[in-house]
Amino acid sequence: QVLLQESGPGLVKPSETLSLTCTVSGASISGSTYHWGWIRQPPGKGLEWIATVYYSGDTFYSPSLESRVTISVDTSNNQFSLKLYSVTAADTAVYYCARLLLRGRVYFDYWGQGTLVTVSS
Amino acid sequence: EIVLTQSPGTLSLSPGERATLSCRASQSVTSSYLAWYQQKPGRAPRLLIYGASNRATGIPDRFSGGGSGTDFTLTISRLESEDFAVYYCQHYGSSPLFGPGTKVDIK
Repeated sequence: QVLLQESGPGLVKPSETLSLTCTVSGASISGSTYHWGWIRQPPGKGLEWIATVYYSGDTFYSPSLESRVTISVDTSNNQFSLKLYSVTAADTAVYYCARLLLRGRVYFDYWGQGTLVTVSS
Repeated sequence: EIVLTQSPGTLSLSPGERATLSCRASQSVTSSYLAWYQQKPGRAPRLLIYGASNRATGIPDRFSGGGSGTDFTLTISRLESEDFAVYYCQHYGSSPLFGPGTKVDIK
């Protein structure tokens, strides 16, 4: 069974950097079929894709966040990570990591449970 | 840039009724890249439908998807209590894009 688990601080101060890690079990992050991504959901709102990464290190970013985001992959630990710089209260959200199939069909098939990150001083 | 619109915003129905949810794209999109998700409060989204009409593993057959071009639908043939949730469509063009969601609540 494929499991994804987000980890990282639940509280970040404005102007600082939000850092999250997703640990994958039950599947190899080095597999060629899948990309790995981050999606967020502000309280009471919809889903927003942030970024995806391939095991090779190829990265893809949301245009609206690209200037403040870095996604990276650590194949040795079967993890991938997100950094969001210069956060504001608008970045308060539940952050999900997910697996993205990007071959023929395209969809997120496995999701982490999500982690709430609050930006506040 | 493609925009996804979902309607209605909220659908109030009773258990046993049929639910029809709409997802409309601002321009024609590839059906293979259209998916639907269900999200319950406090839970991560769950994949229901991929490729516009294919049920994901373990999804009951009361859920069906259809459509092409700019108009797609998710149908729940007979609502059960566990189906009251928010439903999102998602398309992949140059990047993943989610619609705003339709909430199905109990009438």
